[in-house]
Amino acid sequence: EAGVAQSPRYKIIEKRQSVAFWCNPISGHATLYWYQQILGQGPKLLIQFQNNGVVDDSQLPKDRFSAERLKGVDSTLKIQPAKLEDSAVYLCASSFAGDSPLHFGNGTRLTVT
Amino acid sequence: GQQVMQIPQYQHVQEGEDFTTYCNSSTTLSNIQWYKQRPGGHPVFLIQLVKSGEVKKQKRLTFQFGEAKKNSSLHITATQTTDVGTYFCARGGSNYKLTFGKGTLLTVNP
Repeated sequence: EAGVAQSPRYKIIEKRQSVAFWCNPISGHATLYWYQQILGQGPKLLIQFQNNGVVDDSQLPKDRFSAERLKGVDSTLKIQPAKLEDSAVYLCASSFAGDSPLHFGNGTRLTVT
Repeated sequence: GQQVMQIPQYQHVQEGEDFTTYCNSSTTLSNIQWYKQRPGGHPVFLIQLVKSGEVKKQKRLTFQFGEAKKNSSLHITATQTTDVGTYFCARGGSNYKLTFGKGTLLTVNP
């Protein structure tokens, strides 16, 4: 089966600019996650979708981050405006259902200068 | 939020030596998942533990879930250079939220 697709692979922006990341989960996977992974740390959950509804966004900095999964398939994560501390790898993951294992995409490495 | 603590943070071994990483929680875990992330890669699922005292094996890897479901361990027998990477435990929470630990970085000297 095809894996989780993410784009772009790398992105370099200046602080205060905006950026968007795209994720296409594995077909049939109802749950989609966005994680932020800062170098040397574990992935931190930003937002979790079940189909097109938000299940958890408690750690999403809502003043600058937004995410949507309009048709319950693809998802986009946006940062506006970006800060230096947003430099990280943004990982998208999907799972079939419930507490099934997560399948991660290759991530988007964001550098904010 | 509810955290899981992983120790050690780093471990360097000679090829052929054993390796163990521990995952601890102050509260009872409903389940624990283990992932491996190679340098420059993304986390890859290894195993899920659900039952108290559960032990699962995958070739040279042995995973254990504590009797009280507050801790878990991953043991690798006779490490190889292909074992290099960061090993994460992740606790399952409400609404199937998965919270990751900070991981243990394993390096292997050939």
